[in-house]
Amino acid sequence: DFQLTQSPSSLSASVGDRVTITCRASQRIPHYVNWYQQSPGKAPRLLMFGASILQKGVPGRFTGSGSGTEFTLNITNLQPEDFATYFCQRSFSTPRTFGGGTKVEIK
Amino acid sequence: QVQLVQSGAEVKKPGASVKVSCKVSGYTLAKLSMHWVRQAPGEGLEWMGGFDRVHGEAVFADMFQGRVTVTDDTSTDTSYMELSSLRSEDTAVYYCATDWDQGYDAFDIWGQGTMVTVSS
Repeated sequence: DFQLTQSPSSLSASVGDRVTITCRASQRIPHYVNWYQQSPGKAPRLLMFGASILQKGVPGRFTGSGSGTEFTLNITNLQPEDFATYFCQRSFSTPRTFGGGTKVEIK
Repeated sequence: QVQLVQSGAEVKKPGASVKVSCKVSGYTLAKLSMHWVRQAPGEGLEWMGGFDRVHGEAVFADMFQGRVTVTDDTSTDTSYMELSSLRSEDTAVYYCATDWDQGYDAFDIWGQGTMVTVSS
C-alpha cells in the first residue's frame, strides 16, 4: 500500500525559528504533493501544491521542495499563527493519501 | 468565492448508515471533483474517496470500498457521501473538499465539517 510518512510527528519551536517538515513516499511519485495546515477545530487549509507552488494568500515564509520520494515543507521566521498541524498529501493518484501529520508546538 | 456548506451533526447507532451532504455555493458542482476526508478525534486526515470528474469515475480508498457511496446532484449543486455499516471507529468529523482554482487536484476549498458520532 502507498504511504506517506511525515517526520517529525511533532516539534517544539519558538517564534522566529525556521522549521523543516519531511514527507517521504513509499514509492516514487511525481511532484504532485500538497501541504495543508490545520488549526484545532478548523478545516485544513491548503498551503502548497505541486510540491513547491504557494497557494494564493499564503505567506512567503512557507516554501516547499522535493521530488521522487522525499518532499519538504520549510517555514522560516515562525509566527504565532503557524503553530498548528501540517499534513502532506499526494494528488492525481488513488488513494490520495495523507501523511500522518506534524504538530508544531510552541517551545 | 466558492463555498461548501455541509449538513449538521449526526448521531447513529452501530450498523446504521449516515448520509452527509455538501452544498456548493458560488460555483457549479458539475465542474468540480468532490472528495471526502475524515478525521477521527485526535487523529490525522484520512482520504475516503470522491468523484474524479476528469476521468468520470468514483474513486475510493480500499478500506472504504463497498461501504461508502458518493453521489452528485448537479441540479441542486449538492454532493452526498453515505457510509454504511457504521461502527464506533467511524466516529469522526467528515469533510467535503475540492480543487476549485489550481488544477493540481489539491483541496483548496473545504466544507466546515460534519461530526458523526457512532454510539449505542
